[in-house]
Amino acid sequence: RKEVEQDPGPFNVPEGATVAFNCTYSNSASQSFFWYRQDCRKEPKLLMSVYSSGNEDGRFTAQLNRASQYISLLIRDSKLSDSATYLCVVPGSARQLTFGSGTQLTVLP
Amino acid sequence: ETGVTQSPTHLIKTRGQQVTLRCSSQSGHNTVSWYQQALGQGPQFIFQYYREEENGRGNFPPRFSGLQFPNYSSELNVNALELDDSALYLCASSLPGDQETQYFGPGTRLLVL
Repeated sequence: RKEVEQDPGPFNVPEGATVAFNCTYSNSASQSFFWYRQDCRKEPKLLMSVYSSGNEDGRFTAQLNRASQYISLLIRDSKLSDSATYLCVVPGSARQLTFGSGTQLTVLP
Repeated sequence: ETGVTQSPTHLIKTRGQQVTLRCSSQSGHNTVSWYQQALGQGPQFIFQYYREEENGRGNFPPRFSGLQFPNYSSELNVNALELDDSALYLCASSLPGDQETQYFGPGTRLLVL
């Protein structure tokens, strides 16, 4: 099993839609989790951190289910500018970041 | 902008050559991590430097080596380049005591022919 696995995607949704991505992780001892956003040919940028059951920031909600070892990211009222690749990230034992392979989202007009 | 800079932005090399990539971390950040991102994949951890010493290493061969300098800037060296080394190389820096929150530079895109 990979350390971090994400929905394969790609997701193509209309503007205004709600879309959810799931991510599973293998290390049950992990305490913190992150979602990064990466635009085409750019560097990853931190979108949200998740330390307890969840986190909400405007249209974005991240939820954590420790029992099932999965994290989700919900985007409500999708905008064209939300089009990007979303990376699920779990810190490793040496504080390095372990990334999933990413889920590509395209929001269509 | 994160304040993390990398040079060069693009590089073309041939198989067997050696390459050095550079990274200047954000002010006050003493930990630097390097990642390799192949096309269509997430970044893969290469190694991390803290106070000029290697502080963790991913599953990369010894021909990937690094340095960190007293001003916390860093270099990634790759010897005997292979075609599969073609990727985006990302540097990320973090604050003392918060190594999990990492700020990425724009990356160096390396093409090996």
